Amino acid sequence: EADIYQTPRYLVIGTGKKITLECSQTMGHDKMYWYQQDPGMELHLIHYSYGVNSTEKGDLSSESTVSRIRTEHFPLTLESARPSHTSQYLCASSESDYSNQPQHFGDGTRLSIL
Amino acid sequence: QKEVEQNSGPLSVPEGAIASLNCTYSDRGSQSFFWYRQYSGKSPELIMSIYSNGDKEDGRFTAQLNKASQYVSLLIRDSQPSDSATYLCAVRGLRSARQLTFGSGTQLTVLP
Repeated sequence: EADIYQTPRYLVIGTGKKITLECSQTMGHDKMYWYQQDPGMELHLIHYSYGVNSTEKGDLSSESTVSRIRTEHFPLTLESARPSHTSQYLCASSESDYSNQPQHFGDGTRLSIL
Repeated sequence: QKEVEQNSGPLSVPEGAIASLNCTYSDRGSQSFFWYRQYSGKSPELIMSIYSNGDKEDGRFTAQLNKASQYVSLLIRDSQPSDSATYLCAVRGLRSARQLTFGSGTQLTVLP
């Protein structure tokens, strides 16, 4: 069973605020990912990391930024939230990026920007 | 053409029937394939993985892979209302080997 935690689960906040979505995993996985998913829509990869001090942008352009200072922690930050950022944000991790290793997801953060 | 395509839903089956979910992929060098289940408002949950041609069974679930046809499917036997969810196919391809590419999902409803 994967142990990956996201906080907060739900966040409703006003436009212009700085937001940090937290993601932590206790499995020592090097690979971590952030996805964005609108209701009923596809998962879109927005950021990924292959280890400490390694971050890359995903397929979907995002105004968010990420950092990876510790293996277990991969926070996502929005400097100035806008209504277009309203979505569900899912964090995932995997033991490796070799063929047989799946990604395991946290419970997600549902973000609403007023 | 999308890299991973799933049969368009929604799909409805009666309780006790077999639900068949299909997925095709474009990267012929793809090596590993995963099926995730996602309940409404929840995060994806891994239910099956398959890497070799043929069938792989786990309880009521059977994954089928045909690399020559670039096709992977998921069969759910004795479908239950609790199986009602969106099923996501994910592929690790050769071109994007370090990431998973997800399909858009097939929504399954099992009618009691």
